[in-house]
Amino acid sequence: NAGVTQTPKFRVLKTGQSMTLLCAQDMNHEYMYWYRQDPGMGLRLIHYSVGEGTTAKGEVPDGYNVSRLKKQNFLLGLESAAPSQTSVYFCASSGGGRSEAFFGQGTRLTVV
Amino acid sequence: AQSVTQLGSHVSVSEGALVLLRCNYSSSVPPYLFWYVQYPNQGLQLLLKYTSAATLVKGINGFEAEFKKSETSFHLTKPSAHMSDAAEYFCAVSRGSNYKLTFGKGTLLTVNP
Repeated sequence: NAGVTQTPKFRVLKTGQSMTLLCAQDMNHEYMYWYRQDPGMGLRLIHYSVGEGTTAKGEVPDGYNVSRLKKQNFLLGLESAAPSQTSVYFCASSGGGRSEAFFGQGTRLTVV
Repeated sequence: AQSVTQLGSHVSVSEGALVLLRCNYSSSVPPYLFWYVQYPNQGLQLLLKYTSAATLVKGINGFEAEFKKSETSFHLTKPSAHMSDAAEYFCAVSRGSNYKLTFGKGTLLTVNP
């Protein structure tokens, strides 16, 4: 029972490089979310999706893009990484409504 | 817009003492409310959730929370703290057609021997 799987778990990028974080869930959930976690800031929503082929902006979307071509996958892209994007990124999925969200183990990204 | 406020970024208790972590929400209609726990270098794990069935909600590891509409609060309690409870705790709210999940800034719980 994998649940929510994020890849990679760690990554170091140079300023200006691009990368894609992959989130995969095997629970047939409609809703998927990308958060970033920074000390003292809690979890802030970057982008989310309410179903295959849909995406929407969260609180802090600038500098990120997402795609949800398949229901089970939610990709987060950084086109030109900046040091301010150094953070721990969490993906989550949910059945919506009163259902709780299930989280991946996180991706620790450092931009130098 | 919905938001969540957690009072106290750091709470320290002695082992065996009462744990009280505070959460207030702002929402025009009663939302769904959640408490999550995060142990070091791990993802978030659900402790309990309020979905309007009962105002007192029991969760895992002896935690419980009471939904008080008049106070717009959903405080988390545990009668007797254990060393293994040391972690960061997050309150979250969800409502609306998109079920966007919004988190508070978290409360770090330290348990002293």
